[in-house]
Amino acid sequence: NAGVTQTPKFRILKIGQSMTLQCTQDMNHNYMYWYRQDPGMGLKLIYYSVGAGITDKGEVPNGYNVSRSTTEDFPLRLELAAPSQTSVYFCASSPLADPSYEQYFGPGTRLTVT
Amino acid sequence: AQSVTQPDIHITVSEGASLELRCNYSYGATPYLFWYVQSPGQGLQLLLKYFSGDTLVQGIKGFEAEFKRSQSSFNLRKPSVHWSDAAEYFCAVGKKTSYDKVIFGPGTSLSVIP
Repeated sequence: NAGVTQTPKFRILKIGQSMTLQCTQDMNHNYMYWYRQDPGMGLKLIYYSVGAGITDKGEVPNGYNVSRSTTEDFPLRLELAAPSQTSVYFCASSPLADPSYEQYFGPGTRLTVT
Repeated sequence: AQSVTQPDIHITVSEGASLELRCNYSYGATPYLFWYVQSPGQGLQLLLKYFSGDTLVQGIKGFEAEFKRSQSSFNLRKPSVHWSDAAEYFCAVGKKTSYDKVIFGPGTSLSVIP
């Protein structure tokens, strides 16, 4: 199993550009999450999904959108990139059957907006 | 509201020395507690978790952690550190039945002197 995969690994955007960060998991997990990681701040939840067709906002959703058309894929969309969105983005998933919601993380996407 | 503090931003230890990383949480009931490790350029990997039962939890790579309800702590320990343990360590607290409520601490960066 590949687990959770993310593309791209690195990206530089200009202010106002848009892009989609891809996330795919092959573990048939129901729950999927997007986090951003800023230095010294830990991880902040952007959006999450409990299954195909169902998404909800996390702690820091402004400037982002998500969709979940399949169990496997959970892309994160940045519409108008701003310097404040410079961060490392992690996608994660967890299985429905695990009541502790242990999360499995992808390797991350490092995004710079200039 | 839930919160997690990791008082040590950075710790340096010599290879072979013992290690203790501190984690304190604020939560009104018995939480789920996690320690994750992040190697440079990688995603987060679960080291161990406390779900219920025995308050001393064993994890991967020789790590253990002890849940102390009276101190609201979940400190991570390892008796003898290896150079490969150099990484960022995150404590996290989750709430039963709330998959969107896992809160991550700011992290502790561990350096190991050969």
